[in-house]
Amino acid sequence: QQKVQQSPESLIVPEGGMASLNCTSSDRNVDYFWWYRQHSGKSPKMLMSIFSNGEKEEGRFTVHLNKASLHTSLHIRDSQPSDSALYLCAASMDTNTGKLTFGDGTVLTVKP
Amino acid sequence: EAAVTQSPRNKVTVTGGNVTLSCRQTNSHNYMYWYRQDTGHGLRLIHYSYGAGNLQIGDVPDGYKATRTTQEDFFLLLELASPSQTSLYFCASSEDSQNTLYFGAGTRLSVL
Repeated sequence: QQKVQQSPESLIVPEGGMASLNCTSSDRNVDYFWWYRQHSGKSPKMLMSIFSNGEKEEGRFTVHLNKASLHTSLHIRDSQPSDSALYLCAASMDTNTGKLTFGDGTVLTVKP
Repeated sequence: EAAVTQSPRNKVTVTGGNVTLSCRQTNSHNYMYWYRQDTGHGLRLIHYSYGAGNLQIGDVPDGYKATRTTQEDFFLLLELASPSQTSLYFCASSEDSQNTLYFGAGTRLSVL
């Protein structure tokens, strides 16, 4: 069973719109969540991380975390065509060994 | 930014062949990872390591061996390659279990 589930699988938003991506872990041992972004033909790069309940904002990007429900979400406001990419959620379930598990990702397309 | 170098970038082999994928990081990171990425899937963890000589089993280890010979070098071995192992392979490193992963450019492997 996939331990990190992401939704939706794909998302199309207009330029200037808001994109909202979701991620939930089915493993109660999860400690930390990361969001990575992977442009087509490139390797993933870390976008944001969140370790505590609440919200964290960096520019146009905001992440939320609810540890009780093991749910995190990424919101991108004023979406740009350059934001079109695969967004991967990752969860750390064993900080002793460093095991990091990724979800299957959400493909975001921003239409000009 | 952390430097992670993978070689080769592309590899074609036949069913039953022997393949070694190489990864080197030059940032003295403790943790190194091997992931595979297939269409419709995110990144699936094959093996990882938190130091020279250490090896941890990931989520999809069958058919793969790995070896961490030094702090810098992490190898992935396919001793009897099968078509199901055709994939894009990423190596990554991080300083510790709660830090950002830095990915190499990837190795595209085709098993005919």
